[in-house]
Amino acid sequence: QVQLQESGPGLVKPSQTLSLICSVSGDSITIGGYYWAWIRQYPGKGLEWIGYIYYSGTTYYNPSLKSRLIISLDTSKNQVSLNLNSVTAADTAVYYCARSDYYYNWFDPWGQGTLVTVSS
Amino acid sequence: EIVLTQSPGTLSLSPGERATLSCRASQSLDTFLAWYQQKPGQTPSLLVYGASTRATGIPDRFSGSGSGTDFTLTITRLEPEDFAMYYCQQYSNLPLTFGGGTKVEIK
Repeated sequence: QVQLQESGPGLVKPSQTLSLICSVSGDSITIGGYYWAWIRQYPGKGLEWIGYIYYSGTTYYNPSLKSRLIISLDTSKNQVSLNLNSVTAADTAVYYCARSDYYYNWFDPWGQGTLVTVSS
Repeated sequence: EIVLTQSPGTLSLSPGERATLSCRASQSLDTFLAWYQQKPGQTPSLLVYGASTRATGIPDRFSGSGSGTDFTLTITRLEPEDFAMYYCQQYSNLPLTFGGGTKVEIK
């Protein structure tokens, strides 16, 4: 059974880069058929899809974040990374990684999530 | 971007009652819609995909219906563990988007 676990700093200063890692266990991220996604949930509970990556390295990003965002894979460690630069307080959220079917992009399962606060 | 509007924002019901949650899309989704449940302090979990197919292990008191722009999630008899937030999500078009959620609370 695949499990996902997010990790990274809980506090990031404004204008800096938010960097998170999703460690995947129980399945290889190089097996086709799935995208590996990042989703965030704001303190007011709204959910936003950030983007996802296929094992080939193909990425799709939310246009609202595209200019600041890089999602990448480390296949040797079975990890997915998120880097979001030039952060502001509006980027404060719980960040989740999740698996998405390649053809039908619902999300299952999700990681436990990690809270990232942007503050000086 | 496809906008999903969920209603009502909050549903106050008693255990054993029927809950009807609505999700309306700004353009047709065919049946490319999923529902998630999020209990307090927990991660969202998949309930329904394809508008009406229950995910593995989801009890049959949960049912999804609809196509096009109007979708419904029905919980036939609320159990204590069903009081939670519910979100719909479309996967018809990128960017993938979520509704604002419906909170089902104990009356």
